[in-house]
Amino acid sequence: SYVLTQPPSVSVAPGQTARSTCGGNNIGGETVHWYQQKPGQAPVLVVYDDSDRPSGIPERFSGSNSGNTATLTISRVEAGDEADYYCQVWDSSTNHVVFGGGTKLTVL
Amino acid sequence: EVQLAESGGGLVQPGGSLRLSCAASGFTFSSYWMHWVRQAPGKGLVWVSRIDNYGSSTVYADSVKGRFTISRDNAKNTLYLQMDSLRPEDTAVYYCARDPAIASHRTNFDYWGQGTLVTVSS
Repeated sequence: SYVLTQPPSVSVAPGQTARSTCGGNNIGGETVHWYQQKPGQAPVLVVYDDSDRPSGIPERFSGSNSGNTATLTISRVEAGDEADYYCQVWDSSTNHVVFGGGTKLTVL
Repeated sequence: EVQLAESGGGLVQPGGSLRLSCAASGFTFSSYWMHWVRQAPGKGLVWVSRIDNYGSSTVYADSVKGRFTISRDNAKNTLYLQMDSLRPEDTAVYYCARDPAIASHRTNFDYWGQGTLVTVSS
């Protein structure tokens, strides 16, 4: 089955740029989606179809996907961006949905 | 406004059964595929199951296949998850989620419920 690998944690100072990666075998050939989850809350879709943003999601959130790595980029990071971030794809070989293990973003 | 509201969680003994419900409102429920996703305490998101908009096609994660059954009642705008032969490792918050994609390879979750906690313990 398809495996998505995310670093457990990322730290960034306010106002800086945070990048959360999602590794997978030729993930550039897959369609990647990203979710933000704050403690005690349900996940929220922040990027879909590699790089599109749902309505209401700030332009500071962007996504890219190429080769073996997909990346969620958060520009001008704010304290309110502190959360867990998960990448997700659909595995065509099993017809299952796959999530990465999640990355905890800490705003210093 | 799109709303998803899960119910039915609780404490159950190993080997027991539980049925979760997800009441949908604010959209045409019968037009969307729906999923269940779970999250064990302190752990990440894990996909559980998917059902198509007609209720005729279902898919399950290997960890629950043969024990869980996903279904829906489009007349009642409700999604269900029947969970049998429950194990301690099934302990988690269970979320229902809407899938706006028109093709499987684009499957994603644009709306989530607030979740319902299932605890399997003696």
